[in-house]
Amino acid sequence: AQSVTQPDIHITVSEGASLELRCNYSYGATPYLFWYVQSPGQGLQLLLKYFSGDTLVQGIKGFEAEFKRSQSSFNLRKPSVHWSDAAEYFCAVGPSNSNSGYALNFGKGTSLLVTP
Amino acid sequence: NAGVMQNPRHLVRRRGQEARLRCSPMKGHSHVYWYRQLPEEGLKFMVYLQKENIIDESGMPKERFSAEFPKEGPSILRIQQVVRGDSAAYFCASSPGGPGANVLTFGAGSRLTVL
Repeated sequence: AQSVTQPDIHITVSEGASLELRCNYSYGATPYLFWYVQSPGQGLQLLLKYFSGDTLVQGIKGFEAEFKRSQSSFNLRKPSVHWSDAAEYFCAVGPSNSNSGYALNFGKGTSLLVTP
Repeated sequence: NAGVMQNPRHLVRRRGQEARLRCSPMKGHSHVYWYRQLPEEGLKFMVYLQKENIIDESGMPKERFSAEFPKEGPSILRIQQVVRGDSAAYFCASSPGGPGANVLTFGAGSRLTVL
């Protein structure tokens, strides 16, 4: 069965510091991997996705993520965090090929707090 | 393009009442997914629909919950005889068929409170 683990429930970083949010997945086949961000009271916005090819993917808002098959990980990084990055971050895994849709399986999320 | 539109954004119901949540997918999208987010939890898949068809309802509770996506109009998630445990945020996502079907665009959600 597929699953996604985000080990850190809360993370606090100082503005301008670097950020890494962890994501580990369990999936029987080649997965598609996603990171979404949710601001309070809002929906989810897609930050980036990995389907194949270069294992380092660039997303919006200066985020990037690296797919490491050997570690079953897809960690999200940002070199310098801005106060506006404070939000909930969700890692998700989905099927690469499906006749029954592409429903995503989400982790429980990591809440990011940015301090001055 | 208005994106995925959900309404109402907030809904308050008393126990035993019915809740209807509506989702209009992005223009050109024919696939709709419903998710539920409980407090302090991630999103849990409920149901996947295409026009006039339920494709995968493996995440739907067996009773009181139903979903439809008619030929015309929005997709509707219906919860009958609501209970306090139904209080949650319900998110709709849509995608196109064919290429891009595996990239879901989410709406802002409908937050249901059951008193």
